[in-house]
Amino acid sequence: QVQLQESGPGLVKPSQTLSLTCTVSGGSISSGSYYWSWIRQPAGKGLEWIGRIYTSGSTNYNPSLKSRVTISVDTSKNQFSLKLSSVTAADTAVYYCARMSSNWGQGTLVTVSS
Amino acid sequence: QPVLTQSSSASASLGSSVKLTCTLSSGHSSYIIAWHQQQPGKAPRYLMKLEGSGSYNKGSGVPDRFSGSSSGADRYLTISNLQSEDEADYYCETWDSNTQVFGGGTKLTVL
Repeated sequence: QVQLQESGPGLVKPSQTLSLTCTVSGGSISSGSYYWSWIRQPAGKGLEWIGRIYTSGSTNYNPSLKSRVTISVDTSKNQFSLKLSSVTAADTAVYYCARMSSNWGQGTLVTVSS
Repeated sequence: QPVLTQSSSASASLGSSVKLTCTLSSGHSSYIIAWHQQQPGKAPRYLMKLEGSGSYNKGSGVPDRFSGSSSGADRYLTISNLQSEDEADYYCETWDSNTQVFGGGTKLTVL
């Protein structure tokens, strides 16, 4: 069973870049025709899709975040990553990584504050 | 892009059944969706993938009490014999070649 685990700083200053990594275990990130997604959830609110990367390396991003988001994959480490630039308090949320819709990480809280 | 509409809340009694609805926007009525459950303080959990035909494929370990069905642009999640642990937020999700979209979620209260 594939498992995903998010990691990265829990506190980011405004205007800086948020960087998170999702480590995949129990299977190779480069096998199969999957996509790997980042999703976030502000406290008390619903889920918001950020973007995804296919095993081919192609990406899709939420249009509302596209100018600030980069998702990349490191197959040698079985990881994929999220970078969100120019963050503000509105980017404070629990960030989840997921494989397709069927496997979710446990989530990591990122707070944007000085 | 598709839009998913869910009622914000629902309630039902312990041991009864409840049917949650997710409605696809115009022009997207054939889309496949997924249902996810999010218990308080936990990560979302994948429940099932549901096609417009009503055929569904549940995730590993999802109880038989959970089932799906479809009618036109509506996708349903039915939970039978409600248990206290079913009190949670339920989200539907869909996708296409360019995007993924979540509904706003339904908060289910078990009375």
